[in-house]
Amino acid sequence: TQLLEQSPQFLSIQEGENLTVYCNSSSVFSSLQWYRQEPGEGPVLLVTVVTGGEVKKLKRLTFQFGDARKDSSLHITAAQPGDTGLYLCAGRGSGAGSYQLTFGKGTKLSVIP
Amino acid sequence: DAGITQSPRHKVTETGTPVTLRCHQTENHRYMYWYRQDPGHGLRLIHYSYGVKDTDKGEVSDGYSVSRSKTEDFLLTLESATSSQTSVYFCAISQSGSSTDTQYFGPGTRLTVL
Repeated sequence: TQLLEQSPQFLSIQEGENLTVYCNSSSVFSSLQWYRQEPGEGPVLLVTVVTGGEVKKLKRLTFQFGDARKDSSLHITAAQPGDTGLYLCAGRGSGAGSYQLTFGKGTKLSVIP
Repeated sequence: DAGITQSPRHKVTETGTPVTLRCHQTENHRYMYWYRQDPGHGLRLIHYSYGVKDTDKGEVSDGYSVSRSKTEDFLLTLESATSSQTSVYFCAISQSGSSTDTQYFGPGTRLTVL
């Protein structure tokens, strides 16, 4: 079973601060995705990273896939209250069953105005 | 938004009763999934389907069964509900199952087993 350790579990910061969320595993993933979930709703995909060392930017959010494709990070610059939510990383294996996602436990972010 | 609906959205039931949750999609996606989300555990896969009448077990399948008789519908059944099955259940769909495939999630069903 592939496991994804996500940290921190909870994060409360002031508006304008920067933050980084980490997603680590001992397993290699063919791709890694980051989702954001609002209360009472299902997760929504933010980004998919596939290549080791890949960096993707989505406005103030920067996503990086580790060189060995075992870890990833999400960095938010100048956090806004609208960034509040649950952030989930999810890894996809390779070969048979590669359509299955393994999710981390999530990081609950609160951005205080 | 992807066309995914789940019914019911909320349900309270008693231990030992059967419960069926329905997921309906209008996207004609091949893959469908059932997850449960619990505090401290994140999202865990229960069962998934890779086509009509083609299903397989996920990480936490004990006590659950599924059926898919049509592309658009994926049913999750708790044959005899237990309190440990109190959770929020999410259905998801995806098109190809490739490494870059996107899973689209429904709004969830909150199930309470008393």
